[in-house]
Amino acid sequence: DGGITQSPKYLFRKEGQNVTLSCEQNLNHDAMYWYRQDPGQGLRLIYYSQIVNDFQKGDIAEGYSVSREKKESFPLTVTSAQKNPTAFYLCASGTYDEGTYGYTFGSGTRLTVV
Amino acid sequence: AQKVTQAQTEISVVEKEDVTLDCVYETRDTTYYLFWYKQPPSGELVFLIRRNSFDEQNEISGRYSWNFQKSTSSFNFTITASQVVDSAVYFCALTEYNTDKLIFGTGTRLQVFP
Repeated sequence: DGGITQSPKYLFRKEGQNVTLSCEQNLNHDAMYWYRQDPGQGLRLIYYSQIVNDFQKGDIAEGYSVSREKKESFPLTVTSAQKNPTAFYLCASGTYDEGTYGYTFGSGTRLTVV
Repeated sequence: AQKVTQAQTEISVVEKEDVTLDCVYETRDTTYYLFWYKQPPSGELVFLIRRNSFDEQNEISGRYSWNFQKSTSSFNFTITASQVVDSAVYFCALTEYNTDKLIFGTGTRLQVFP
């Protein structure tokens, strides 16, 4: 079945360490997105990529980095520069389907920095 | 800039009550899409509906109905005869036309008590 896989589901890291969250899709979607969710703040866009080897900053990109070397993969690195990295991270992909745009979301990674 | 406002942070109802979740949006685009997603405690986003800006017809799907009014920039969601399984956080979202970024509201937490 096609979908988006985010791994791991739960991740614990010590403060000051970089950590990479995985996002893989087998839907052949061109666009991919990373969102961060904090309680009461909804989902905020970190980075997005509309095509391989190209990506743009979203609203809260500081302290994060991404790469898009393959269509299927869009890993997110949370660097030590991110001041408050503990959050729920959701990856999504998007494509046009019969003239309208649709999104598929992964099941998320809950990152806790201690 | 695009913006989605969900003014209701939390709503509590008793089973079988009807409940309406409000969504107001701002956009300068003439072509856009509006979405509703459900987020149960497990965290994944469940797609409920997509509506494009040219289609103002209201939609009904079982106990769910949506009222889209461009004149008031609103896209409200009503659950009829609510059930305990409807308890979740519900997000309204808007696409940005040129980038296909999905912009979320802050969500409404619905609690349905037996």
